[in-house]
Amino acid sequence: DAGVIQSPRHEVTEMGQEVTLRCKPISGHDYLFWYRQTMMRGLELLIYFNNNVPIDDSGMPEDRFSAKMPNASFSTLKIQPSEPRDSAVYFCASSLARVNYGYTFGSGTRLTVV
Amino acid sequence: SQKIEQNSEALNIQEGKTATLTCNYTNYSPAYLQWYRQDPGRGPVFLLLIRENEKEKRKERLKVTFDTTLKQSLFHITASQPADSATYLCALFTGTASKLTFGTGTRLQVTL
Repeated sequence: DAGVIQSPRHEVTEMGQEVTLRCKPISGHDYLFWYRQTMMRGLELLIYFNNNVPIDDSGMPEDRFSAKMPNASFSTLKIQPSEPRDSAVYFCASSLARVNYGYTFGSGTRLTVV
Repeated sequence: SQKIEQNSEALNIQEGKTATLTCNYTNYSPAYLQWYRQDPGRGPVFLLLIRENEKEKRKERLKVTFDTTLKQSLFHITASQPADSATYLCALFTGTASKLTFGTGTRLQVTL
């Protein structure tokens, strides 16, 4: 298995533009998580899905953020409109279960909003 | 408030020595705790999981302890190598929050 695949690896965009981050989880993993990492706040959970259904989106910072999982092999995180404070590394992770299993992370998308 | 504290200062040790990293937490009752390794420009990599009823877990040169009374986990790397240099993150899972919450990590530097 190629692991969790995220694209793009780097994204530079202007304030106000729409940004879409993509993730392909490991086949057979029922859980998918979106995390954001910054120097100040570390890794923060934004939202997670179970069997393609969003379960907890309490970490999504505001309505500008949305996430979808149309099928078991694909998820997107969208920011519209983007702001400079959204600059961070966004990670997607998947797991066989929510508890008692380690998470497999992708390599992340480094987002810079100028 | 809930906190997960890892030493923000880098830990520098000599090759061959045992590295010990600390994870302290307050106002959590974790069901289990995990340790991850993160290299620059990469995502975290899962290393070990230890449950609340386990005192110690080992995997090759790695050892994790979990003291729910002290609210602390220690992560040991024996016979450390320069390739062990990375940032190590602890993460707690609590039933009430139902999510995995990460500490900010400690950077380990192993020198020759």
